[in-house]
Amino acid sequence: DTGVSQNPRHKITKRGQNVTFRCDPISEHNRLYWYRQTLGQGPEFLTYFQNEAQLEKSRLLSDRFSAERPKGSFSTLEIQRTEQGDSAMYLCASSLDPGSFNEQYFGPGTRLTVT
Amino acid sequence: AQSVAQPEDQVNVAEGNPLTVKCTYSVSGNPYLFWYVQYPNRGLQFLLKYITGDNLVKGSYGFEAEFNKSQTSFHLKKPSALVSDSALYFCAVSSLNTNAGKSTFGDGTTLTVKP
Repeated sequence: DTGVSQNPRHKITKRGQNVTFRCDPISEHNRLYWYRQTLGQGPEFLTYFQNEAQLEKSRLLSDRFSAERPKGSFSTLEIQRTEQGDSAMYLCASSLDPGSFNEQYFGPGTRLTVT
Repeated sequence: AQSVAQPEDQVNVAEGNPLTVKCTYSVSGNPYLFWYVQYPNRGLQFLLKYITGDNLVKGSYGFEAEFNKSQTSFHLKKPSALVSDSALYFCAVSSLNTNAGKSTFGDGTTLTVKP
């Protein structure tokens, strides 16, 4: 399968713990995006990479959130000191350049539950 | 700032009837418009996009959408609905004027096609 993959698919953690999610984009895509989706809402932009460079971060992304894309391949999203409000579906997507008019390919998401 | 409105949370149609899922947008500059579909427990899938040219664009699974610049709308349509079209549909907008062509998504419309 050459689509976007995300791991884990589900994560249950206790408040205050750190979690890390991984996204493997389509190999030839140099754009990689992270979104957060809650019930009844569309995906909310968190951050994006062009190759290994993180070019924009939403103000939704507090200091507890960090993302990396070493070598412009897979990406990780880490949440430190998780809070119950972090419970959501975290989506990863990738696309070709330019990002404006190329469609994004989404992974299945990682569902985070903070107890 | 760019935004998308999907005024209907839910659309119900009978199988075989035409369907329309509405989307209006606000953006600075020329819009690039997208429709995505999300089936239960699946990632968002690209359906179609408008970049430039013919206002009527055709996409996957028999869907089409009409770009109307004066009404700032991009409604999704299908002449004859199938039960298998039942899903959550998202409209998204981007433009060259936004940072890196970041897409903004609507909150989604749940389409239910009844046999």
